[in-house]
Amino acid sequence: QLQLQESGPGLVKPSETLSLTCTVSGGSISSSSYYWGWIRQPPGKGLEWIGSIYYSGSTYYNPSLKSRVTISVDTSKNQFSLKLSSVTAADTAVYYCARQGYDFWSGLDYWGQGTLVTVSS
Amino acid sequence: QSVLTQPPSVSGAPGQRVTISCTGSSSNIGAGYDVHWYQQLPGTAPKLLIYGNSNRPSGVPDRFSGSKSGTSASLAITGLQAEDEADYYCQSYDSSLSPMNVVFGGGTKLTVL
Repeated sequence: QLQLQESGPGLVKPSETLSLTCTVSGGSISSSSYYWGWIRQPPGKGLEWIGSIYYSGSTYYNPSLKSRVTISVDTSKNQFSLKLSSVTAADTAVYYCARQGYDFWSGLDYWGQGTLVTVSS
Repeated sequence: QSVLTQPPSVSGAPGQRVTISCTGSSSNIGAGYDVHWYQQLPGTAPKLLIYGNSNRPSGVPDRFSGSKSGTSASLAITGLQAEDEADYYCQSYDSSLSPMNVVFGGGTKLTVL
């Protein structure tokens, strides 16, 4: 059974960089059939896609966050990571990692449990 | 303001049928991109409920069904049960911003009366 687990600091200061890692177990991140994505959800609000990465390192990002986002992959550790720079209180959210089908047909079929990141001094 | 538009809330009594709409445009649903639906129970991660417009993953009851037409999609839930009370999100892709740009609806809260 595939599992995804987010990890990283739960508190980040304003203007600093948020860094999270998603560890994939029960399957290979190097599968050619999937992208791996980050999605966030501010408290009491809806879902917002941040960006996705392919095992080769190919990325695509939400245009509204693109200038501040970097997603990378480490196939040797079966992990992918998110960095979001110059954070403000508006970046406070539960951050999820998820597996995304390479095509448009499959959706995001496996999700991590999510990790709350609070931006505060 | 979400690219895909959903009603903020819907409600129904146990046993009834409810539908949740998801309205897009010619750059996303109307462009032929598939629509997926997610169920989010309180305090938990979203769960894939419908993929590829109308397909159910293994384990999802057939009380849940999806459809798509033109620039819109719908999720129908029949035989409503108390455990269906949750937030529901539609998701598709939008080509106006960048290739493979994932977009979500704003979410719909389902209340079982």
